[in-house]
Amino acid sequence: GNSVTQMEGPVTLSEEAFLTINCTYTATGYPSLFWYVQYPGEGLQLLLKATKADDKGSNKGFEATYRKETTSFHLEKGSVQVSDSAVYFCALNNFNKFYFGSGTKLNVKP
Amino acid sequence: EAQVTQNPRYLITVTGKKLTVTCSQNMNHEYMSWYRQDPGLGLRQIYYSMNVEVTDKGDVPEGYKVSRKEKRNFPLILESPSPNQTSLYFCASSFREVSYNSPLHFGNGTRLTVT
Repeated sequence: GNSVTQMEGPVTLSEEAFLTINCTYTATGYPSLFWYVQYPGEGLQLLLKATKADDKGSNKGFEATYRKETTSFHLEKGSVQVSDSAVYFCALNNFNKFYFGSGTKLNVKP
Repeated sequence: EAQVTQNPRYLITVTGKKLTVTCSQNMNHEYMSWYRQDPGLGLRQIYYSMNVEVTDKGDVPEGYKVSRKEKRNFPLILESPSPNQTSLYFCASSFREVSYNSPLHFGNGTRLTVT
């Protein structure tokens, strides 16, 4: 089957710290992988995406690399800001169905 | 402005009273989908639609119905709501093939409470 597992939160960091949020997946075939971000009271927004093995998605200083050998898509940012505080969801798309992880809440303190 | 609009934002109802949550998009997207978000479980897909008159079950379709009579609208119907359907619901849309230039666009959510 298809599933996504991501690290439990909340994750609390100081501004300018390095961020890693782990995500691993199980899938049949060749899924696309995504990171979505949810700010309070809003719907999810696409942060970045990768469609095949070894692709690196990047946006707004965030990066994630599609690692087929470890079935992982870890999210990283070199220097977080207070404005990055949100809930982050790892997701996969396979045959027009989406599967989301449980979300990781990030709190960034000034 | 390109958007997905859900109504209502908040809804409190009683067990067994039929309700409909509306979803409308103005981007001419073929693909539309409903999700529920529960603590510790993330988002789970309820139903999706690849185009008008084409709908299919997601992972948790029990207790829900959908229809896609027009391209822009994709209402979620709970014929006989139960307390275990208390959740935060999201509608999303995309062009037929989800791509970097056409991600899933989400509405702002509907918080449903069934007592």
